[in-house]
Amino acid sequence: SQKIEQNSEALNIQEGKTATLTCNYTNYSPAYLQWYRQDPGRGPVFLLLIRENEKEKRKERLKVTFDTTLKQSLFHITASQPADSATYLCALIKAAGNKLTFGGGTRVLVKP
Amino acid sequence: DAGVIQSPRHEVTEMGQEVTLRCKPISGHDYLFWYRQTMMRGLELLIYFNNNVPIDDSGMPEDRFSAKMPNASFSTLKIQPSEPRDSAVYFCASRSLGPSGNTIYFGEGSWLTVV
Repeated sequence: SQKIEQNSEALNIQEGKTATLTCNYTNYSPAYLQWYRQDPGRGPVFLLLIRENEKEKRKERLKVTFDTTLKQSLFHITASQPADSATYLCALIKAAGNKLTFGGGTRVLVKP
Repeated sequence: DAGVIQSPRHEVTEMGQEVTLRCKPISGHDYLFWYRQTMMRGLELLIYFNNNVPIDDSGMPEDRFSAKMPNASFSTLKIQPSEPRDSAVYFCASRSLGPSGNTIYFGEGSWLTVV
């Protein structure tokens, strides 16, 4: 069966350090991989999209890598700030598909 | 744009009662999605529409759940009769096939508690 796995344990990190989150998938051939941020009591908010033929994407302090051989994406928050504290969700979508399937999310807590 | 608008934000109801959740997608978006989020199962896709037509309802848990989209600016998700295990946050989301067509915009969710 298809699985999308994210570390369910919260990531505690000191302000200024780089937070690295992992998204692994099995039995899936995604065309796109997306990362969303979700704050408590709010809906997920889109952050970044990376295509299967792209290795890396950056947006401000965020960086995403996509390795289709390892079936893994890494999400980095550099120079982390307390305001980055949230749950981060990865999501996959197949080519010509419309169903976005989410991982369970990883909670990040940045301590000042 | 006001974004995806959902109502009610919070609802507490008794088991057996009918629950209706409402959604107004972003104007011009031709895809609408209903998701459910729980601690145990995460975010699950229940059903999605394209141009008001249901395309895939394979995620709808059982016949007690139904969804409609009578026009491009309104959708409902109905649970009848409701059960305690339906307690969850229900998100509506919309998307267009424009340049940012792979971005899905979520509403703030409807928090449902069935007692």
